[in-house]
Amino acid sequence: GAVVSQHPSRVICKSGTSVKIECRSLDFQATTMFWYRQFPKKSLMLMATSNEGSKATYEQGVEKDKFLINHASLTLSTLTVTSAHPEDSSFYICSARDSGYSNQPQHFGDGTRLSIL
Amino acid sequence: AQTVTQSQPEMSVQEAETVTLSCTYDTSESNYYLFWYKQPPSRQMILVIRQEAYKQQNATENRFSVNFQKAAKSFSLKISDSQLGDTAMYFCAFMVGGNSGYALNFGKGTSLLVTP
Repeated sequence: GAVVSQHPSRVICKSGTSVKIECRSLDFQATTMFWYRQFPKKSLMLMATSNEGSKATYEQGVEKDKFLINHASLTLSTLTVTSAHPEDSSFYICSARDSGYSNQPQHFGDGTRLSIL
Repeated sequence: AQTVTQSQPEMSVQEAETVTLSCTYDTSESNYYLFWYKQPPSRQMILVIRQEAYKQQNATENRFSVNFQKAAKSFSLKISDSQLGDTAMYFCAFMVGGNSGYALNFGKGTSLLVTP
């Protein structure tokens, strides 16, 4: 089946640093990828929709300068949390749609647990 | 805008019994997709079952089945013969394609505990 690889799975860093999270579709092409944020015992909240070769579409309330998204190829999207602070600590999950199948569900990565000290 | 409501924050069921998780949604769209996802403690998102709105027949996947009531905008999940491995968070999700971009809109989730 379709596999989405998300890396790193866990990152701990100091306040003020920038952190990059990668999301790769391993065996399919994904013109669209999605980035979600999940707080403990809460649901997944869509942060942004990443479109290959164009600017990402951010959800209301998500700072585009804080959460930089790049989708330069059909198999890779990256989320960079810039100048991270403790309030950015969370679980981030990406997902990807197979471009060839319009009605197929998204395939999820295993998530990244980000902890800012 | 679409909303997804899961009114049961927590549920418990004994092993081998049957449990039903409820989900309602609100939309003005006529063509959409509904999903149930399972998130165990590992936090992986696992697709349990999906339903296309244009299909009248309820989807079934082994021990998992749905009761899709389009007019009532209801999409409940029934788990039969519950197993300890079914313990997880369950999220109902809604998806519209086309210009809406196929993003998933999740409910708040139901934490299911299966007890021996």
